[in-house]
Amino acid sequence: DVKVTQSSRYLVKRTGEKVFLECVQDMDHENMFWYRQDPGLGLRLIYFSYDVKMKEKGDIPEGYSVSREKKERFSLILESASTNQTSMYLCATRKGVSITDTQYFGPGTRLTVL
Amino acid sequence: AQSVTQLDSQVPVFEEAPVELRCNYSSSVSVYLFWYVQYPNQGLQLLLKYLSGSTLVKGINGFEAEFNKSQTSFHLRKPSVHISDTAEYFCAVSEGGSYIPTFGRGTSLIVHP
Repeated sequence: DVKVTQSSRYLVKRTGEKVFLECVQDMDHENMFWYRQDPGLGLRLIYFSYDVKMKEKGDIPEGYSVSREKKERFSLILESASTNQTSMYLCATRKGVSITDTQYFGPGTRLTVL
Repeated sequence: AQSVTQLDSQVPVFEEAPVELRCNYSSSVSVYLFWYVQYPNQGLQLLLKYLSGSTLVKGINGFEAEFNKSQTSFHLRKPSVHISDTAEYFCAVSEGGSYIPTFGRGTSLIVHP
């Protein structure tokens, strides 16, 4: 059974803190993605990775960085959290490059920055 | 650039009534189209997808969608909804085989008893 796990369901941080969101998959998928989800805005792509140590910017990368040192783990990093980064963060994986492969999503991390 | 519009932010409906959630895209080239569902406090789950072939696509949980190229639409339908269908529904499009899909803003389906 497909499994994408995210380290926390809920997270509260203070402005200026460095924040790590972790995503782990057990499906040996090549591709991993980080989205943020905001009411009325849908899902917006922050970063994606198509291989270990490889990353590409998505639509809204500003204020974020990522790390993929191992195939199964993709981390999203907020170097200095700000209140406008309060959001739901969703991780997703996909087996290959083809858009026809199914994307699998984790349960999400709801981050609040105070 | 590919874009997708979900015309309704919220759709209230009574249980056992039919429902249609609308999705339009803007593209003049070939597209792949997807519908995802997000139940409360969960991640997204693929409902169905159109890649090629028959324009009527059947998905899980009794949902279906019809690809209409002339109308650039991919509306989602279910003939009789259940309380358990209450969720957020997202339409997504990939234009010309783009590696990354673009998601719509979502439609909240609220099923009342």
